[in-house]
Amino acid sequence: DTGVSQNPRHKITKRGQNVTFRCDPISEHNRLYWYRQTLGQGPEFLTYFQNEAQLEKSRLLSDRFSAERPKGSFSTLEIQRTEQGDSAMYLCASSGALSYGYTFGSGTRLTVV
Amino acid sequence: KQEVTQIPAALSVPEGENLVLNCSFTDSAIYNLQWFRQDPGKGLTSLLLIQSSQREQTSGRLNASLDKSSGRSTLYIAASQPGDSATYLCANTQGGSEKLVFGKGTKLTVNP
Repeated sequence: DTGVSQNPRHKITKRGQNVTFRCDPISEHNRLYWYRQTLGQGPEFLTYFQNEAQLEKSRLLSDRFSAERPKGSFSTLEIQRTEQGDSAMYLCASSGALSYGYTFGSGTRLTVV
Repeated sequence: KQEVTQIPAALSVPEGENLVLNCSFTDSAIYNLQWFRQDPGKGLTSLLLIQSSQREQTSGRLNASLDKSSGRSTLYIAASQPGDSATYLCANTQGGSEKLVFGKGTKLTVNP
């Protein structure tokens, strides 16, 4: 068990391009979460999966954002037509049960230029 | 809507000092509360998890307490070291939701 893995670690993209991030949770965890963190702020919830079902989405997740977890294992977060305001750290977390808390990955830092 | 506040926003102490970080929340109906550490540009490392039925948890030099009735949690760090320098975040979940609600964190600097 190597923890929660996120790729890439850093991504620089031009405004208007599409980007995709990947998260590999701890293998026995059925819950997977995406958060976004901007400078000086705490992470903000984006979306949550239990197995392959996306059960909760934040209003922060505009129609340019889509997340999938097709086989209930890894997840991808895609941002279409990126904007400078999308620049942030995107964090993934997983959990086996809520009572055991969350384990976070190292994050993907997105810079939109 | 749950709001989490962490005071102070920043703290600078000399090495060896004992210190307390504070976290308050507006809705006491929480399921659990978790303290995290974040180094610059990095992800979050879980420090301590307190379930709603518990009042405190300890790990090494760290002790976290939870008082649901007053909407407060504290993280006590004993004998601080320069390696403790980081941002400390508290977050909680409420019953019926999987969403962690975070404070903005306390940035701790421990000076040698």
